[in-house]
Amino acid sequence: AQSVAQPEDQVNVAEGNPLTVKCTYSVSGNPYLFWYVQYPNRGLQFLLKYITGDNLVKGSYGFEAEFNKSQTSFHLKKPSALVSDSALYFCAVRDGAGNNRKLIWGLGTSLAVNP
Amino acid sequence: NAGVTQTPKFQVLKTGQSMTLQCAQDMNHEYMSWYRQDPGMGLRLIHYSVGAGITDQGEVPNGYNVSRSTTEDFPLRLLSAAPSQTSVYFCASSLPGQGFYGYTFGSGTRLTVV
Repeated sequence: AQSVAQPEDQVNVAEGNPLTVKCTYSVSGNPYLFWYVQYPNRGLQFLLKYITGDNLVKGSYGFEAEFNKSQTSFHLKKPSALVSDSALYFCAVRDGAGNNRKLIWGLGTSLAVNP
Repeated sequence: NAGVTQTPKFQVLKTGQSMTLQCAQDMNHEYMSWYRQDPGMGLRLIHYSVGAGITDQGEVPNGYNVSRSTTEDFPLRLLSAAPSQTSVYFCASSLPGQGFYGYTFGSGTRLTVV
């Protein structure tokens, strides 16, 4: 069965330090992987995606993610965290086979960047 | 280009009342969907539509109805509201065609059923 896991409910990091938000997945075919961010009282915003190609994907606001097929992971990273990065982050996966548009969502990781 | 527009932003209902949450998009997206977001449970798919006239159930469809008479609109109806339907509801849409490049989300409707 398809699934996504975000093993950390919350991540705390000091401003200026690198941050990592973890995501692992399970799909039967080739994965389409996504990261979204949700700021308080807002809808979700697209950050980046992996469909195919280079394993390191660059996205919005200085974020990047690394696709690791052998570890079935797609961790979100940023070299230097900002206080404004504090938000809820969701990882999602779609099974690349067929025309199914449905995404499977992780439960989210709350990122707190401390000044 | 407004993207995905949801109305209302906030709503309080009494148990047993009915209402319709509105969702409209102006991007000619074929695929539209409704999610509810509850603490500790992430996003759960309620209903979705792959095009006008076509709808299907998601993970948690009970208590909700949808229809898709036009490409632009995808309203979500609560026929008899229950406290368990207190949640934040998000509408999302995606690009047409075989490719899939992620969803565009509305800003949400915060619903409280008392």
